[in-house]
Parts: sequence; C-alpha cells; structure tokens
Amino acid sequence: EAQVTQNPRYLITVTGKKLTVTCSQNMNHEYMSWYRQDPGLGLRQIYYSMNVEVTDKGDVPEGYKVSRKEKRNFPLILESPSPNQTSLYFCASSSAGTGKTEQYFGPGTRLTVT
Amino acid sequence: GDSVTQMEGPVTLSEEAFLTINCTYTATGYPSLFWYVQYPGEGLQLLLKATKADDKGSNKGFEATYRKETTSFHLEKGSVQVSDSAVYFCALTDNTNAGKSTFGDGTTLTVKP
Repeated sequence: EAQVTQNPRYLITVTGKKLTVTCSQNMNHEYMSWYRQDPGLGLRQIYYSMNVEVTDKGDVPEGYKVSRKEKRNFPLILESPSPNQTSLYFCASSSAGTGKTEQYFGPGTRLTVT
Repeated sequence: GDSVTQMEGPVTLSEEAFLTINCTYTATGYPSLFWYVQYPGEGLQLLLKATKADDKGSNKGFEATYRKETTSFHLEKGSVQVSDSAVYFCALTDNTNAGKSTFGDGTTLTVKP
C-alpha cells in the first residue's frame, strides 16, 4: 500500500530534550515536506526537500532541522524543543517537484512540549 | 509572498444543501491550486486540483474552477452529505518555486441529517 508513515504518532516531552520525528514514504517520491498545523493558522510549511541532499526552508523553519540522506526518509529534528513547538505535525511527499502534482500526507504527529 | 485566504468557518449545513467555500489567493508566479480534505484524526488528502487558468477540478461531486481574473478557486458541491463533514483546505504551489506550498486556514464543515 502506498503511504507516508510518521513515528511517533503522539509524543509528550519536556523543554530542551532533543527529539526526532521520523517520516518515510514508499512511493519513490522525490519531493518531501514538513508542516505544522495550529488552530486558526492552517498548515505552515517548515522545511522541504526536492531530492536527496537537497533541503530548503519553508515559512517557519526556526527551531527545526531536517536531513535527506535517503530518498524515502525525511526526519524532523527538534534540537531543543520549546512549548511554542507544541503542535500537530504532518509529513508529505510528492512524485515530482513541478508544483503540479498533489502531495500525499502522513497521519500526523501530535507533539506536546511542557 | 504567496497567500491563500479562505472563507471563515465553521460552516453548518443540512443534508442536501448547496455548499460554497470561498478561496482567493495571491501569488507572484503561476500557481497550481488544490483543495485538500481532512477527516477527523487523519492527514490531509487531495480532493481536487487545477494547474492552469480556466481549468476545472472535480471529484466526488465537488468542483472548483481556477479563475485567474479574480484570483479565486471556490469549492462547490450541489448536495452535501453527512459524510462530507470535514475540514477543507485550499492550497497553492507556485510553479516558479515548486517546493513552496501555501495553505489557507481551513474551513470546518458540519453537515446535519
């Protein structure tokens, strides 16, 4: 089954404790992206990757890191989480970086930072 | 930068009512436009798309037409069902910078029997 998977689905952590949210897709997609969803703010793009070893900032990259060492994986790293990073996070992938193809979304990771 | 403005919600309709959710955009390039739907507890999934002016996207009875002159991509459905209850997001991807995507705030639709 073609899908985007994220782990963990739920995470509660404390301020300053480094964490990684994993994202993997099995569709051989070149493009991958991370978003956060907050009430009243819709989805905001954090980082995206057009291909292996190619990443770029979205609209809200502060406090996040990403890497794309393999085509299928695109982990999101929070080096020192803070309460304002409490949010619902989605990973997405797309077959080509033309902008004309739709994105496939993972099920989401709900992160709470206390 | 690019932006997407959606009609404010929430929207509550009775079954078989007509639905319109307005979406307007600003973009520096020539965007592709999308409507995504999010059911409770799930990720977003594509509902329909249009990649150039005057294109009409359609799926599951929903339609939206890419209107360049009014920079709009309004979502319509002639007769909604209870199962259409969800959050709807309008989005664009700028074809001159294909990595960047911009989403609206989302509109929550509740359909009552």
